[in-house]
Amino acid sequence: EVQLLDSGGGLVQPGGSLRLSCAASGFTFSSYAMNWVRQAPSKGLEWVSALSAGGGSTYYADYVKGRFTISRDNSKNTLYLQMNSLRAEDTAVYYCAKAGRDSLAAGGTTSGWFDPWGQGTLVTVSS
Amino acid sequence: SYVLTQPPSVSVAPGQTARITCGGNNIGSKSVHWYQQKPGQAPVLVVYDDRDRPSGIPERFSGSNSGNTATLTISRVEAGDEADYYCQVWDTSNDHVVFGGGTKLTVL
Repeated sequence: EVQLLDSGGGLVQPGGSLRLSCAASGFTFSSYAMNWVRQAPSKGLEWVSALSAGGGSTYYADYVKGRFTISRDNSKNTLYLQMNSLRAEDTAVYYCAKAGRDSLAAGGTTSGWFDPWGQGTLVTVSS
Repeated sequence: SYVLTQPPSVSVAPGQTARITCGGNNIGSKSVHWYQQKPGQAPVLVVYDDRDRPSGIPERFSGSNSGNTATLTISRVEAGDEADYYCQVWDTSNDHVVFGGGTKLTVL
């Protein structure tokens, strides 16, 4: 069974840093692009970042570019999101999500759908 | 950047058909994916590549995409279908992912 376990959330002051982790199991982690998606309280889904299967290509939404860094350790089947210079508007539940098709089928891109998603981890930025 | 527009809410009686739209400029040229999210839970994929269903998703869920509108259709709606639904595409101009604003489906 494919499983994604998000962790690392918590309360942090504005300007602070936090690192999220997503532990994957049940599939060949190194063959799939991975993404982070967030959801502010009572708001919709908002894409944050994507990382190619091999880790060589990264993509960021404009509102986190320069502050967040996505990375992966394929030997540990784990995805990360390093979040720096956090702002109140970054408060949200953060989900990791696996690409729906492997890198070969996706032509090496990060395109496509997300399946499955992790359970989410809550990040609260507040003084 | 690419924008997807969904109605904030749709209401339907049990047993009837719900149609949730997702509008975007020439969205018919893109692959559209749909997610269901119930309160306190992570999103679940219900339709991918416009009209394909993952294993385990009932045949009552179907999708279509043409012109400037993609549609998620839920036939014979049940109380358990009450949830928020989101459409999603991949923006080829910048390799970014775009979500619609979400539609709350209420079963009367």
